[in-house]
Amino acid sequence: DIQMTQSPSSLSASVGDRVTITCRASQTIDTYLNWYQQKPGKAPKLLIYGASNLQSGVPSRFSGSGSGTEFTLTISTLQPEDFATYSCQQNYDTPRTFGLGTKVEV
Amino acid sequence: EVQLVESGGGLVQPGRSLRLSCAASGFKLRDYAMHWVRQAPGKGLEWVAGISWNSGSLGYVDSVKGRFTISRDNAKNSLYLQMNSLRAEDTAFYYCVKDRGTYYDSSGLWPLDDWGQGTLVTVSS
Repeated sequence: DIQMTQSPSSLSASVGDRVTITCRASQTIDTYLNWYQQKPGKAPKLLIYGASNLQSGVPSRFSGSGSGTEFTLTISTLQPEDFATYSCQQNYDTPRTFGLGTKVEV
Repeated sequence: EVQLVESGGGLVQPGRSLRLSCAASGFKLRDYAMHWVRQAPGKGLEWVAGISWNSGSLGYVDSVKGRFTISRDNAKNSLYLQMNSLRAEDTAFYYCVKDRGTYYDSSGLWPLDDWGQGTLVTVSS
């Protein structure tokens, strides 16, 4: 199975900060990497697919980059509603595997 | 608007069975692959099972193979997960998830598009 490793596991930030989260795959996954946002008690929500494609309706302050084994999710200017947990997921092979998540908190 | 509503969760003893259902609306279920993804309380997401649009192919994570069965009824706009021989480690929220593609195991730009709100399965004596 492809292992997905996220770092950091949590981070503290303030409104207005630039935030970067990293996801590494145990083998190359081309650009078949998706990012999800999850708020407490809620279902995950797709933010970015194919490493860098913004899902419809997602604010442009979110962006993704990377290919191969290393990927990043960037929030350019953190907003109050962005405090949540972010998870990466690979679509290169089954089982589809997720990272353990990065909690962005105040 | 896509809606996925799970039901069937609850408290069950180890070794017993439970069947989860997912009612889909707002899209043509028959056009898409579907999945079940679970999340133990306070833990990360884990893909459990997937099924292609016509039930022609399906797959499971190793930890549930031989115990769980995913199925679908496109005519009833419903997805199911039959869970047998349940274990304490199966305790989790179970999410019904719509794929963007038609085959559950397609490699490529096929994210997990839409998620239900989840149903909690607790396995405990």
